[in-house]
Amino acid sequence: DTAVSQTPKYLVTQMGNDKSIKCEQNLGHDTMYWYKQDSKKFLKIMFSYNNKELIINETVPNRFSPKSPDKAHLNLHINSLELGDSAVYFCASSQNTEAFFGQGTRLTVV
Amino acid sequence: GENVEQHPSTLSVQEGDSAVIKCTYSDSASNYFPWYKQELGKRPQLIIDIRSNVGEKKDQRIAVTLNKTAKHFSLHITETQPEDSAVYFCAATYSGNTPLVFGKGTRLSVIA
Repeated sequence: DTAVSQTPKYLVTQMGNDKSIKCEQNLGHDTMYWYKQDSKKFLKIMFSYNNKELIINETVPNRFSPKSPDKAHLNLHINSLELGDSAVYFCASSQNTEAFFGQGTRLTVV
Repeated sequence: GENVEQHPSTLSVQEGDSAVIKCTYSDSASNYFPWYKQELGKRPQLIIDIRSNVGEKKDQRIAVTLNKTAKHFSLHITETQPEDSAVYFCAATYSGNTPLVFGKGTRLSVIA
């Protein structure tokens, strides 16, 4: 019974394409996040949503557009993919403190 | 905003020895300090956390200490085992729904 699930797990696509990653949590948490983990394993916050409202956007290019249809879902759409977007993207949720992570989506742009 | 520094970036220990990873944070308002373990190809998972009203917390072979005055906290793993090999991340935030700010990670290798 997965707490935070994201799809797909792997995504290989060409430069210039548009792609989406979906995330769902069944923990009843109010807050959801997207983190990017680069090749050096650094985990960097991209977006934070609380009850479907955008709280934090950490200087992410506007090619990245999060969407939260309800507080259990936070999707990430990426336009005009670039080589530098290759990374592992983690969705997470929390209720005040501990963050629970999804299994990650490894995005490879070729 | 918060900035978390983590050292060392890599650490190799012999099985049975202890391992210590240290972090510093910049925002004195931070009051929650978790540690996450990430195995190869897996998601980060919480192993232990500490809040600012506590100086030390222990869970079996893992302990965390916090010095609020100096703004640093440490992870201690005793009697290390090969399955402790992973990347460990410290993080800091203040309570509420602000995101965790992570250190850059420590790759721990336990040599059998």
